[in-house]
Amino acid sequence: SYVLTQPPSVSVAPGKTARITCGGNNIGSKSVHWYQQKPGQAPVLVIYYDSDRPSGIPERFSGSNSGNTATLTISRVEAGDEADYYCQVWDSSSDVVFGGGTKLTVL
Amino acid sequence: EVQLVESGGGLVKPGGSLRLSCAASGFTFSNAWMSWVRQAPGKGLEWVGRIKSKTDGGTTDYAAPVKGRFTISRDDSKNTLYLQMNSLKTEDTAVYYCTTFDALGGANFDYWGQGTLVTVSS
Repeated sequence: SYVLTQPPSVSVAPGKTARITCGGNNIGSKSVHWYQQKPGQAPVLVIYYDSDRPSGIPERFSGSNSGNTATLTISRVEAGDEADYYCQVWDSSSDVVFGGGTKLTVL
Repeated sequence: EVQLVESGGGLVKPGGSLRLSCAASGFTFSNAWMSWVRQAPGKGLEWVGRIKSKTDGGTTDYAAPVKGRFTISRDDSKNTLYLQMNSLKTEDTAVYYCTTFDALGGANFDYWGQGTLVTVSS
């Protein structure tokens, strides 16, 4: 089965740039999607197709995907960005796969 | 505005059954592929299953842990998605989210309901 690996936690100071990685075998050949989940709330899609943003998502959120690593980048981090972030792909043998999630802490 | 409203969660004993519903509005439900995703307390997201639109065959797919026990169905006349859960286990305890599934967008979940909690305990 296909496995996505995320760091359990990432910390960043306000105004700085946060990078959250998602590792998987040849993930660069797949479409990667990212979800933000704030405490007590449902997840929200923030990046799809590796780097596209749904309407309403700030330009501060961007994504990239190459080789064995996809990355969600949040520029000029704000306190309101503190949340859990999940990557997700579709794999022909495993169907839908989620990463384990990364807790972003804004210092 | 897209709205997905789940209902039907609650406390059920191991081995019991429960049916969740998801009322959809703000989009053409009959054309949409729909899915269920769950989240155990303090854990990550886990895909449960998916149903295609009737025009795309209306077929279903399930994650291994629920295959043979859970059934997803839809009533396009009521804009409602269902999840029938049988032979429930304690490890099925989770918040269950109803989602749209954007197959054309690279297979992502673009809209989510607020979730409904299912607790399986004796």
